[in-house]
Amino acid sequence: GAGVSQSPSNKVTEKGKDVELRCDPISGHTALYWYRQSLGQGLEFLIYFQGNSAPDKSGLPSDRFSAERTGGSVSTLTIQRTQQEDSAVYLCASSGTIDTQYFGPGTRLTVL
Amino acid sequence: LAKTTQPISMDSYEGQEVNITCSHNNIATNDYITWYQQFPSQGPRFIIQGYKTKVTNEVASLFIPADRKSSTLSLPRVSLSDTAVYYCLVGDGYSGGYQKVTFGIGRKLQVIP
Repeated sequence: GAGVSQSPSNKVTEKGKDVELRCDPISGHTALYWYRQSLGQGLEFLIYFQGNSAPDKSGLPSDRFSAERTGGSVSTLTIQRTQQEDSAVYLCASSGTIDTQYFGPGTRLTVL
Repeated sequence: LAKTTQPISMDSYEGQEVNITCSHNNIATNDYITWYQQFPSQGPRFIIQGYKTKVTNEVASLFIPADRKSSTLSLPRVSLSDTAVYYCLVGDGYSGGYQKVTFGIGRKLQVIP
């Protein structure tokens, strides 16, 4: 079936604006992850959803960041009052089996 | 969570076999070892996974010693298209259980013509 999809692929916004990033996981995958990757850096864990359990939000860098997953499928990552340091590629991954994560193409966020 | 450490970068010539080693001294009994490959401007892609001894697929081999405190990804006869960042991860192997894993900075492989 289809892989993980993310939208938009690119987002340019002005400092102080809110943005929403969307992730459509692989159908049937119960686990969903959000990561952030700055240029030339590794992946920074943000948040993890597993089935109906409470999400692990331990990686969210500030209260400006939030995420939700509706109906155990699509997820939205929201960044309020964006700052320039929020500029990065935001990656979503889903998993249905042991530790194998399938990644989407990412959303490149640029905050001017 | 078991932490992984990898050297940052390495170069290799086309056609050579490349071995990339990862240390995970605090690996837990239930942890599997998974390797991912990331090309520029793309998300990481699963390469191979193992628990112990040796695993081989069409892309690579994974060698895991008996103490499981390290693992080695082996890429046979690399080509320019293998230039990428390689990540090793360890995580809870329970299907359906808590599967949070943490990516380190990875190891950049540059294949030279």
